Amino acid sequence: SQQGEEDPQALSIQEGENATMNCSYKTSINNLQWYRQNSGRGLVHLILIRSNEREKHSGRLRVTLDTSKKSSSLLITASRAADTASYFCATGNQAGTALIFGKGTTLSVSS
Amino acid sequence: EAGVAQSPRYKIIEKRQSVAFWCNPISGHATLYWYQQILGQGPKLLIQFQNNGVVDDSQLPKDRFSAERLKGVDSTLKIQPAKLEDSAVYLCASSSFTGTSLTWFQFFGPGTRLTVL
Repeated sequence: SQQGEEDPQALSIQEGENATMNCSYKTSINNLQWYRQNSGRGLVHLILIRSNEREKHSGRLRVTLDTSKKSSSLLITASRAADTASYFCATGNQAGTALIFGKGTTLSVSS
Repeated sequence: EAGVAQSPRYKIIEKRQSVAFWCNPISGHATLYWYQQILGQGPKLLIQFQNNGVVDDSQLPKDRFSAERLKGVDSTLKIQPAKLEDSAVYLCASSSFTGTSLTWFQFFGPGTRLTVL
């Protein structure tokens, strides 16, 4: 079953704009992760935020986590055409040993 | 560092035929996963190995899917017989996860795209 649900399902922006995608999940978590998938590089880990963290940055990525609302957001600043991909949030399964992925947000960045 | 290797990259078969996928994880990674990703959806875990033992195969359709990880390194996933709904990308991932869920993440291979006609 899906744990995380991303919103929106699809997002189209121009280069240089910021892109925000959201993830909601159902059960308590130890951490939440974001992955990117494109045809060139497959599924790649972007960032992990622990349940006791509220915000984390990595380059042009900013992730927030609100455990009271069971939600997370991924912000990509100054988007580039190379950011065109599908983005997935993932949380641990009940045993905490494997990941459960949402359906993803498809981001298109046009130049 | 070499990544997770998978083969073949593409496979087209007729329904009721058999197919096998191979995965070589990152050296030293004890944990190996197989995921199924249907078009438009996120990856869904099929089976997880810790070394050569199965940790979780609760979502593996055992009447037609089987997987093994001999010697705790390479793994194969087999489908026999294939159905139309098995058309998907099969992703192999590995991690150095050893028991705590606080900081681990997974490295994914390029996947095998299976089309069942």
